[in-house]
Amino acid sequence: DGGITQSPKYLFRKEGQNVTLSCEQNLNHDAMYWYRQDPGQGLRLIYYSQIVNDFQKGDIAEGYSVSREKKESFPLTVTSAQKNPTAFYLCASSPSAWGVGYEQYFGPGTRLTVT
Amino acid sequence: SQQGEEDPQALSIQEGENATMNCSYKTSINNLQWYRQNSGRGLVHLILIRSNEREKHSGRLRVTLDTSKKSSSLLITASRAADTASYFCATVHYNQGGKLIFGQGTELSVKP
Repeated sequence: DGGITQSPKYLFRKEGQNVTLSCEQNLNHDAMYWYRQDPGQGLRLIYYSQIVNDFQKGDIAEGYSVSREKKESFPLTVTSAQKNPTAFYLCASSPSAWGVGYEQYFGPGTRLTVT
Repeated sequence: SQQGEEDPQALSIQEGENATMNCSYKTSINNLQWYRQNSGRGLVHLILIRSNEREKHSGRLRVTLDTSKKSSSLLITASRAADTASYFCATVHYNQGGKLIFGQGTELSVKP
């Protein structure tokens, strides 16, 4: 069954703690993306990776970090430096990020609550 | 910065009616995509329309693109209660690595 998985679905953390959100895909896609969605808002790009061992900052990268050591995995760490970490986090992938655009396939999301 | 502006922000209709959502953007695009999001879930891709296309159909969905006006519309015909969701347009711009720039979305409610 091909797709993107994100875990966990709900995550609760205390302020000041780092937390890592998991994203795995078995679609053999080169490109992977992390978005943040706040209530009633569209998605904002945090980081993206076009190929293994390479990634670029999106529009709101401050307070976040990522790694891309394997093609199928793109974990996102929300650090204590992120001022407003409570949000819905969505991971996506696409066959390629180069050249013309492709549709993106989204995971089910992780809702992070920091208190 | 976000480029897509969607209109209306919310739309409530009866089952069987048509629903039209509009999206405008600011700079030239490679393509424009529409996505659907059910409450608390991930996004699902609906249609991709390229800058050299004017209209595309998929089942009950019809998307138009007017590059001179930098706008697109999504029409859902004969709507059903199951169409209730948020709908987002997303633009892909040249030289931006395939990134999607999302609008704020239109929240559609279809009443049975």
